Amino acid sequence: QVQLQESGPGLVKPSETLSLTCSVSGFSITTGSYWNWIRQPPGKGLEWIGSIFHSGTTYYNPSLKSRVVISVDTSKNQFSLRLRSVTAADTAVYYCASGVAIADFDHWGQGTLVAVSS
Amino acid sequence: DIQMTQSPSSLSASVGDRVTLTCRASQSISMYLNWYQQTPGKAPKVLIYAAANLNSGVPSRFSGSGSGTDFTLTISSLQPEDFATYYCQQSYRAPWTFGQGTKVEIK
Repeated sequence: QVQLQESGPGLVKPSETLSLTCSVSGFSITTGSYWNWIRQPPGKGLEWIGSIFHSGTTYYNPSLKSRVVISVDTSKNQFSLRLRSVTAADTAVYYCASGVAIADFDHWGQGTLVAVSS
Repeated sequence: DIQMTQSPSSLSASVGDRVTLTCRASQSISMYLNWYQQTPGKAPKVLIYAAANLNSGVPSRFSGSGSGTDFTLTISSLQPEDFATYYCQQSYRAPWTFGQGTKVEIK
């Protein structure tokens, strides 16, 4: 059973870069599946940020594409999110998730709250 | 982007009630529709794939139907653990988008 765990700072200053890592256990990140980042502002709905395939091919939400980079570190069985130039609107619980199909989110991490504030 | 609209935004129901939640897409998405359940403080869990396929381990009281633009999630007999927020999500065209959620509360 694949398990995912997000890690990273819980507080980021405006205009800086948000960086999160998702550690994967129980499944090799190189075997297959799509590795995703999804976020949820407090009290609001879910927004897909982007995905990376094990080959390194990335897919981003156009609304965030200019600020987002998702990468994979196969040696650590991890994948990461970098979101630059953050504002208060980027305050959210950030989830990593995996799926066998590109748009199916089968397994989720527990989520990590990132607040953007000075 | 494909907009997903859920109704109602919230509902109150009792244990044992039959509950139907609706999700409408802004354009036809065939059967590329997933349903998720989220309880407070937890990550969403997928209940149904491709409009009608129950995920492994999900109780049979959950069922999904629909195609094109209109979809429903039905809980045949509401149980205490079903009080949660339910989200639909289209998997037809990127960017993958979610509905705003329907919160099922205890009456």
